Amino acid sequence: SYGLTQPPSVSVSPGQTASITCSGDKLGDRHASWYQQKAGRSPVLVIYEDSKRPSGIPERFTASNSGNTATLTIRGTQSMDEADYYCQAWDSSIAVFGTGTKVTVL
Amino acid sequence: QVQLQESGPGLVKPSETLSLTCTVSGDSISNGYYWVWIRQPPGKGLEWIGSINYSGTTYYKPSLKSRVTMSVETSKNQFSLRLRSVTAADTAVYYCATVGGDAFDIWGQGTMVTASS
Repeated sequence: SYGLTQPPSVSVSPGQTASITCSGDKLGDRHASWYQQKAGRSPVLVIYEDSKRPSGIPERFTASNSGNTATLTIRGTQSMDEADYYCQAWDSSIAVFGTGTKVTVL
Repeated sequence: QVQLQESGPGLVKPSETLSLTCTVSGDSISNGYYWVWIRQPPGKGLEWIGSINYSGTTYYKPSLKSRVTMSVETSKNQFSLRLRSVTAADTAVYYCATVGGDAFDIWGQGTMVTASS
């Protein structure tokens, strides 16, 4: 079955840039989405169709997808960005989530 | 603005059936979207369970397919999940969500279900 792998954790200083990778076989041939989940809350969509931001998502969230890797980048990271982040893609009509990355703002 | 609300028992006995309902407000469940169930065991990641559209077309995660049934009740603007023969491994927060484009754009608040005697 199709799998998506993320690093378990990423640490970043306030104001700096955090990058989260998501690896999967030929992931670049599919659309990748990204979700932010703060402690005790429902996930929130932050990126869809590889690099598009839903209304209300800050411009500091950007993303790309090519080859076997999708990347979510948070520029000028703020304390409010501390959360778990999940990538997601479709394998035919089956949805697959990444393993998740905990972003800590130190 | 579409809103989703999960409902159902918070405790299910092992070997019994977990039944949850998601009530859709702010839009019609028959508008052509797909509706999904996703779960998250305590301290773990997200797991897609399955998708259904207004006409009843379903897609299930292969490893759960033998135990899962999803259905739509258009008159009530609801869709439902049934998971049979539950074990402790099915203990999780269960979310319902919509598929917008190819992403899960709107989520319910989630409901915790514990499988325990």
